[in-house]
Amino acid sequence: QKEVEQNSGPLSVPEGAIASLNCTYSDRGSQSFFWYRQYSGKSPELIMSIYSNGDKEDGRFTAQLNKASQYVSLLIRDSQPSDSATYLCAVNVIPKTSYDKVIFGPGTSLSVIP
Amino acid sequence: GAVVSQHPSWVICKSGTSVKIECRSLDFQATTMFWYRQFPKQSLMLMATSNEGSKATYEQGVEKDKFLINHASLTLSTLTVTSAHPEDSSFYICSEGDILYGYTFGSGTRLTVV
Repeated sequence: QKEVEQNSGPLSVPEGAIASLNCTYSDRGSQSFFWYRQYSGKSPELIMSIYSNGDKEDGRFTAQLNKASQYVSLLIRDSQPSDSATYLCAVNVIPKTSYDKVIFGPGTSLSVIP
Repeated sequence: GAVVSQHPSWVICKSGTSVKIECRSLDFQATTMFWYRQFPKQSLMLMATSNEGSKATYEQGVEKDKFLINHASLTLSTLTVTSAHPEDSSFYICSEGDILYGYTFGSGTRLTVV
């Protein structure tokens, strides 16, 4: 089983709609969860981090975490064409014999149609 | 958040030569730096974790002798791709941070081996 899984997409939504991105992870010990946005040819940029069960809102973005279900999601309200990018879910894992590290999911490609 | 300066942005080298990529922490003393590789249309794959003053921790399947990592100071970590071959052509990105505040990425280095 892959450590972090996401639907690869592409996910297409009309401008102004809500985009919903999902992510599941396998390590029950994970404590930190991140959503990154990556434009083509660029490095990822952090959108949100979440550490506790429930919702966390920041502007048009809402992250949702359910540790029991090992599930984290990102909602983008009022989607804009500039939101078109690949969204990467990242989860910290704590190997037994190594340093804490962050593992990325395969990413979901989002296209917002004007 | 942390600011990471990565150089060069792109490099073209001949097969068999070595290439050094530098990542410098500008406002954060990075005890740990993470090195990722990303092939086109794929997610970020963690290659190794670079620890200041000690040997790097490599992920399974990553050749230690081919990808030399040095982290001699709290602000500078380097990745040297030795005896590069066309299959090493990729986007290499460094990252620093922690699980509380998230991780910041350098701008990435696009390596093309001809």
